[in-house]
Amino acid sequence: AQSVTQPDIHITVSEGASLELRCNYSYGATPYLFWYVQSPGQGLQLLLKYFSGDTLVQGIKGFEAEFKRSQSSFNLRKPSVHWSDAAEYFCAVEPPYNNAGNMLTFGGGTRLMVKP
Amino acid sequence: DTGVSQNPRHKITKRGQNVTFRCDPISEHNRLYWYRQTLGQGPEFLTYFQNEAQLEKSRLLSDRFSAERPKGSFSTLEIQRTEQGDSAMYLCASSLTISVGVLGYNEQFFGPGTRLTVL
Repeated sequence: AQSVTQPDIHITVSEGASLELRCNYSYGATPYLFWYVQSPGQGLQLLLKYFSGDTLVQGIKGFEAEFKRSQSSFNLRKPSVHWSDAAEYFCAVEPPYNNAGNMLTFGGGTRLMVKP
Repeated sequence: DTGVSQNPRHKITKRGQNVTFRCDPISEHNRLYWYRQTLGQGPEFLTYFQNEAQLEKSRLLSDRFSAERPKGSFSTLEIQRTEQGDSAMYLCASSLTISVGVLGYNEQFFGPGTRLTVL
């Protein structure tokens, strides 16, 4: 069974500083990979996704993520954090095979706080 | 179409009561998923539909839970005889699955969720 680990439960960065959120997964093949963001009391918004091809993917709001097969990782980065980026971030994996239902398995989340 | 909608947004109930939640997916999406999210955790898969067929249920979905998607449009999730452990955010997502051979490309769009509190 697949699993997703987000080692950092909380991260605090200063506004304008760079950000990296870690995500490691366990799966027999290369899954599809996603990052979602959730603001308090809200649903999940997709930031970016990786299906195949270029291992550096660009997303919305200035975020990017890099897939590293050798490390089973898909870390999320942003060069300069804005106060509005404070939220909970979830990494998720999805089996690539159509008959597997494509349901998402999420990590436990990383709560990002931004200092002024 | 403005996205996936869920009703109600909040539900407070007493232990032992039945509750029903509704999800309206994006209209052309063929798949619909239900997830449950408890405080401080990531969402966990409950069940999914392809059109009107319920194709998989998680072991988290006890006999007290039932989901339907009549006519492949909206879906309902009912919890009978609620327990305090059922308190959570229930998230619905929909997707249009594109199949290429054995692979399926599937981007899920989430609704705002229904927060259930069982007293």
